Amino acid sequence: GDSVTQMEGPVTLSEEAFLTINCTYTATGYPSLFWYVQYPGEGLQLLLKATKADDKGSNKGFEATYRKETTSFHLEKGSVQVSDSAVYFCALSDPTASKLTFGTGTRLQVTL
Amino acid sequence: SAVISQKPSRDICQRGTSLTIQCQVDSQVTMMFWYRQQPGQSLTLIATANQGSEATYESGFVIDKFPISRPNLTFSTLTVSNMSPEDSSIYLCSVSPGQTNTEAFFGQGTRLTVV
Repeated sequence: GDSVTQMEGPVTLSEEAFLTINCTYTATGYPSLFWYVQYPGEGLQLLLKATKADDKGSNKGFEATYRKETTSFHLEKGSVQVSDSAVYFCALSDPTASKLTFGTGTRLQVTL
Repeated sequence: SAVISQKPSRDICQRGTSLTIQCQVDSQVTMMFWYRQQPGQSLTLIATANQGSEATYESGFVIDKFPISRPNLTFSTLTVSNMSPEDSSIYLCSVSPGQTNTEAFFGQGTRLTVV
């Protein structure tokens, strides 16, 4: 079945540092890929998405590129802020349905 | 986008009792889903709520424990039955327009503690 593997956290960075959170997937067919973010005490929000190979999703300074050859969708940000502290989930959806398969989540803590 | 109202937002319940969680969407949606997020863990799909028919449950989840209703295209309920402390989790409602390759939207979740 489909699966998503994320790097384990927590990830602790100083403000303005470069962020990479690795995500790889296993799926049949051509899934869509997502990054969701969960701020403390809140629900999940879509951060960015990509629906086909070589697509780059971007939002709020975050980027991720759909790499079919390496089955990866790594999340990057050039300069993190304290307000980016949250849990980040990589996910994929079967293109024939909309239910999501999530990675385990990576907690990011950004300090001054 | 879709705005999802989920209630209650949190509850503390006695073991052996049941809790019904409501999910209301501000527009008609084809697909509605219920997820569980156990403490410190990722989200696991419980079931797909089907309008006018029985829900479709994922492996490890059964209707007797998690009965689901979906009376129309904007509303669903999830009941956690005969609760035990292991049921303490965040339960999230999710919706999707149902077209391929579109995003899912989530409610704020219900934080359930069973004592």
